[in-house]
Amino acid sequence: AQKITQTQPGMFVQEKEAVTLDCTYDTSDQSYGLFWYKQPSSGEMIFLIYQGSYDEQNATEGRYSLNFQKARKSANLVISASQLGDSAMYFCAMSARRDSGYSTLTFGKGTMLLVSP
Amino acid sequence: EAGVAQSPRYKIIEKRQSVAFWCNPISGHATLYWYQQILGQGPKLLIQFQNNGVVDDSQLPKDRFSAERLKGVDSTLKIQPAKLEDSAVYLCASTPGGYHEQYFGPGTRLTVT
Repeated sequence: AQKITQTQPGMFVQEKEAVTLDCTYDTSDQSYGLFWYKQPSSGEMIFLIYQGSYDEQNATEGRYSLNFQKARKSANLVISASQLGDSAMYFCAMSARRDSGYSTLTFGKGTMLLVSP
Repeated sequence: EAGVAQSPRYKIIEKRQSVAFWCNPISGHATLYWYQQILGQGPKLLIQFQNNGVVDDSQLPKDRFSAERLKGVDSTLKIQPAKLEDSAVYLCASTPGGYHEQYFGPGTRLTVT
């Protein structure tokens, strides 16, 4: 079974500073994917970044980067130069193949990020 | 490209009533998911469709929840009868398949009183 752990219920950061949101995972699968999603107060889940288990380079997407440490089973999200619009819930998720042969996502409980001026 | 559409956005019902949610995925996406997100938690998968076939419904409370995806496009999720603990946001998502990211709709916020 897959499990995602996000230990930070809430994080505070000042505008323009960098922030790291922690995520650890547990799986016995060799092939899997790691995702981060943002959920603003409007409720929609917005895809941010993806890292494949066999990718050697850490994924980056604009101000978002994923610090992937496979041996430690961690996939932390780094947001550089925080903006007020980054205030939201952030979810770490893992995709792995189920018995059905299809992949599905398992989500963590999320971290609430608040960016102050 | 149009995103995942869901309706209604909000629904308030009394316990023991029935309710239905509708989802239209992104065109061409074969895989469709329904998630339940209880306040303060991450989304939990209820059911996964590949085209019009169910590939995973292990976490769907089948005594009260049902879902279908006719013709492999739109999908409907039904709750009958509703309980207080069904109050949650119901999210629909779709993906081309594999490890591609899932694209989520805006969700339906259900309140059961």
